[in-house]
Amino acid sequence: AQTVTQSQPEMSVQEAETVTLSCTYDTSESDYYLFWYKQPPSRQMILVIRQEAYKQQNATENRFSVNFQKAAKSFSLKISDSQLGDAAMYFCALSPPYNTDKLIFGTGTRLQVFP
Amino acid sequence: GAGVSQTPSNKVTEKGKYVELRCDPISGHTALYWYRQSLGQGPEFLIYFQGTGAADDSGLPNDRFFAVRPEGSVSTLKIQRTERGDSAVYLCASSSIGGGPQYEQYFGPGTRLTVT
Repeated sequence: AQTVTQSQPEMSVQEAETVTLSCTYDTSESDYYLFWYKQPPSRQMILVIRQEAYKQQNATENRFSVNFQKAAKSFSLKISDSQLGDAAMYFCALSPPYNTDKLIFGTGTRLQVFP
Repeated sequence: GAGVSQTPSNKVTEKGKYVELRCDPISGHTALYWYRQSLGQGPEFLIYFQGTGAADDSGLPNDRFFAVRPEGSVSTLKIQRTERGDSAVYLCASSSIGGGPQYEQYFGPGTRLTVT
């Protein structure tokens, strides 16, 4: 079975500061994809960043970057220069490459950004 | 172009009633997914369509849940004899030709279903 665990129900950060959201996962596959999604109050899930497990280089998208530790099955998200608009629920998700359907999500972390 | 749309935005129904939830994917996207998000939880996979056929329906919780996509575009999730435990946000997503995690899933805003 594949599982995704987010152990931080809530996190907070001051505007312009840096925050890291944690995610661990379990899978028996050697190749897979990992994702971070943002869900604002509008409910619409937005892809923040994606990592392919066979790529050792950590993915980066502007202010968002990941720390992917394959052996530890850890996939944390770092948000730099936090902005008020970053406030949302963040979900970590896992998908194996040959399984053309499901994303397996964690329970989410609510991020608050204070001015 | 337009994103994924879902109607209705909110649906309140009585226990035992039948409901239909609609999803309009992004034009040209052949892969379509339904997820259910209960309060305080992450989305949970229900069913995946590639074209008109359900390629994986392993997430449907029981036979009260059924989904169709007759023309390979719009999809309808149907729930019979609704129960209070069915209350959740139902999310739809679509992705381009191949499906698969290498293609981004674009999500709609969801339908919040409340069963009283």
